[in-house]
Amino acid sequence: AQSVAQPEDQVNVAEGNPLTVKCTYSVSGNPYLFWYVQYPNRGLQFLLKYITGDNLVKGSYGFEAEFNKSQTSFHLKKPSALVSDSALYFCAVRDKAGGFKTIFGAGTRLFVKA
Amino acid sequence: NAGVTQTPKFRVLKTGQSMTLLCAQDMNHEYMYWYRQDPGMGLRLIHYSVGEGTTAKGEVPDGYNVSRLKKQNFLLGLESAAPSQTSVYFCASSYSRSTEKLHFGNGTRLTVT
Repeated sequence: AQSVAQPEDQVNVAEGNPLTVKCTYSVSGNPYLFWYVQYPNRGLQFLLKYITGDNLVKGSYGFEAEFNKSQTSFHLKKPSALVSDSALYFCAVRDKAGGFKTIFGAGTRLFVKA
Repeated sequence: NAGVTQTPKFRVLKTGQSMTLLCAQDMNHEYMYWYRQDPGMGLRLIHYSVGEGTTAKGEVPDGYNVSRLKKQNFLLGLESAAPSQTSVYFCASSYSRSTEKLHFGNGTRLTVT
């Protein structure tokens, strides 16, 4: 069965420092991986995805993520954090064996301190 | 272009009451989904639809029913609400089920007392 793990409930970084939000996954086939962000009282917004090709994918608002097949990871990164990046981040996975249903991690709250 | 619109935004029900949540999308998407979001549990798929007139069960379908009579609308029904159904409900749609992103509405916050 598909599963997604976000091992950190919360990540705290200082503004201007690099940030990483971790995600590992388990699927039986080739994964399609996504990151979404949620601001208070809003729905999830798409940040980036990995489908195939280059392991490093770039997305909205300066975020990027690296697909690592051997470690089954898809960590979200940003070189320099902004206070406005503070939000709830979700990693998600799909695969063909799972009928392409999107499975979400529990979420990681990012807090960027000025 | 409104995207995905959910109504109502908030609702309080008493145990045993029924209600319907409405989701409408104007992007001509085939695929539509209902999720519930609970603290520390991420989003869990309740039901989904791969096209007009079709529905299928997700991870947590018990206590919910859905209908997709028109392509642009996806309704989620609670026939007899229970306190365990207190949650934030999100509707999403997508152009394809494999590689395309999900587009989300802003959610319905439901409290069952």
